[in-house]
Amino acid sequence: QQPVQSPQAVILREGEDAVINCSSSKALYSVHWYRQKHGEAPVFLMILLKGGEQKGHEKISASFNEKKQQSSLYLTASQLSYSGTYFCGSTGGTSYGKLTFGQGTILTVHP
Amino acid sequence: AAGVIQSPRHLIKEKRETATLKCYPIPRHDTVYWYQQGPGQDPQFLISFYEKMQSDKGSIPDRFSAQQFSDYHSELNMSSLELGDSALYFCASRGLLGPRKAFFGQGTRLTVV
Repeated sequence: QQPVQSPQAVILREGEDAVINCSSSKALYSVHWYRQKHGEAPVFLMILLKGGEQKGHEKISASFNEKKQQSSLYLTASQLSYSGTYFCGSTGGTSYGKLTFGQGTILTVHP
Repeated sequence: AAGVIQSPRHLIKEKRETATLKCYPIPRHDTVYWYQQGPGQDPQFLISFYEKMQSDKGSIPDRFSAQQFSDYHSELNMSSLELGDSALYFCASRGLLGPRKAFFGQGTRLTVV
């Protein structure tokens, strides 16, 4: 089951904050967050595991609500380099399942 | 640190030809995933291997096959290529221990003409 992301697109000015949401209709063991620039490979940001949350780096963090089967990615004081498409991924209810991705959220940061 | 290596980076093939994409996972990673990504789309899961055995299969056409070898590298074989097969193909490998993060290779851009 593919995770569902919202919003589909976000436009920000430098320094503004954004939240990207990811939800699933099925139980989540873990949520993986990636950022992809056009024509490049997805870059790992962070993984959140059932029973805990893990900060990635810089001003990007995330939360994981197991009961609601939702995760949110928080980008604070956005920088131009944050522009790209953000994907959340899930392996379903186990740590060994196939890793499937949401449809992506396009984030554009303007000066 | 070693990353996931894919080859070739770019490939141009004609319709009905065959292509082979290679993926070398990060050492000691036990899982390899293959994805196909069209323009403006999310990565579509094709197939995965865990410890050299096929573990999951997604929307992979019958014309495609894949395997993982004893040295853990994986190959995606694509036959009877169609124009619609033009896409970015990524492989990702996943760690054995801890949170089991998955890292992507740089991808192979396949163009079918």
